[in-house]
Amino acid sequence: EVQLVESGGGLVQPGGSLRLSCAASGFTLSSSWMHWVRQVPGKGLVWVSRINGDGGSISYADFVKGRFTISRDNAKNTLYLQMNRLRAEDTAVYYCARGVDIWGQGTMVTVSS
Amino acid sequence: QLVLTQSPSASASLGASVKLTCTLSSGHSRYAIAWHQQQPEKGPRYLMTLNSDGSHSKGDGIPDRFSGSISGAERYLTISSLQSEDEADYYCQTWGPGILVVFGGGTKLTVL
Repeated sequence: EVQLVESGGGLVQPGGSLRLSCAASGFTLSSSWMHWVRQVPGKGLVWVSRINGDGGSISYADFVKGRFTISRDNAKNTLYLQMNRLRAEDTAVYYCARGVDIWGQGTMVTVSS
Repeated sequence: QLVLTQSPSASASLGASVKLTCTLSSGHSRYAIAWHQQQPEKGPRYLMTLNSDGSHSKGDGIPDRFSGSISGAERYLTISSLQSEDEADYYCQTWGPGILVVFGGGTKLTVL
């Protein structure tokens, strides 16, 4: 079964850091563009970042540039999102997605003191 | 800048059909889009990709009740024989050189 499972969310203070993981199964991560998308509860989907199969092409939304880093470990078939200098407005459910067709179940990140 | 516009809400009766619209901003009418469904308290689920020529490819297990069509810059998702489980938020998404990835604001569908 093709599946994505996120982990690593939680409560963190403003200015803190968190690393999200997205474990893929049923397909090879290296063959796909992978994305992080976030959603404030009750609001819409917002694209955060993407990375291509070999990690050679990476893009970020302006609101996370310089703070978040996307990466992948193809040997572990896992996608990551390193989030630094977190702000209250980064509070959201974070989803990983393969291209457009496979989504994870999401992991909640709460930035609060 | 590419913007996807969706009506915030729609409603239709059980067993009826509904057509949801996603409009591409001026100058971007040739972009493909994807439709996603998000049921309450769940993650998004991919429904289909809708190309600028009107062709579409659906995700695994998506019922035939879900179909897509286009007219100019408008992209449609039609759901026929509405069921209670179709009550959800529906998002369109596009991507491309220079625009990265964009989502529409979503349409909340209520099944009456």
